[in-house]
Amino acid sequence: KNQVEQSPQSLIILEGKNCTLQCNYTVSPFSNLRWYKQDTGRGPVSLTIMTFSENTKSNGRYTATLDADTKQSSLHITASQLSDSASYICVVSVRDTGRRALTFGSGTRLQVQP
Amino acid sequence: DAGITQSPRHKVTETGTPVTLRCHQTENHRYMYWYRQDPGHGLRLIHYSYGVKDTDKGEVSDGYSVSRSKTEDFLLTLESATSSQTSVYFCAISETGEWETQYFGPGTRLLVL
Repeated sequence: KNQVEQSPQSLIILEGKNCTLQCNYTVSPFSNLRWYKQDTGRGPVSLTIMTFSENTKSNGRYTATLDADTKQSSLHITASQLSDSASYICVVSVRDTGRRALTFGSGTRLQVQP
Repeated sequence: DAGITQSPRHKVTETGTPVTLRCHQTENHRYMYWYRQDPGHGLRLIHYSYGVKDTDKGEVSDGYSVSRSKTEDFLLTLESATSSQTSVYFCAISETGEWETQYFGPGTRLLVL
């Protein structure tokens, strides 16, 4: 069964600090992996997409890494801001174009405190 | 929210009543999706559409039906609402396929009493 596990479930950090969110998956065959940010009361918004051949990708203060061999990804947030408070969702897609091409993690809820 | 609107944004209804949620897009994207989001679960696909009048089931389709008569509109109907269908419902769109980046609407919060 395709699964995406995220850790931690929730995290509280102080403004200005760095943090790393983890995503482990068992999806196969792997196509790509996305990180979404979901602000409270809003729909998810894509932060970054990584394909099989990519190890690192940055989007401003967000840096995603991918290790396709160990099936792990991380999202590193540098110099956190209050606006980073949100849920971060890891989404993995399979290579086949079957009915369920996406598997969603349940998310990590990040709270940045002043 | 990428030219996607959902209506209503909030709804309270009683068990056994029919409920229809609407998703409207202005992006002319071919694919549209309905998801539900519950605490402790990832987003779960209910139904999706790959064109006008072309729809298919997702992993949690029981108790739900959909219709798409125009490119821009995708309706989700709960034929007879149950308390287990209390959830936040998100519509999403993508241009060419389920594996592409999906753009999500603002969500509809549904409470079934």
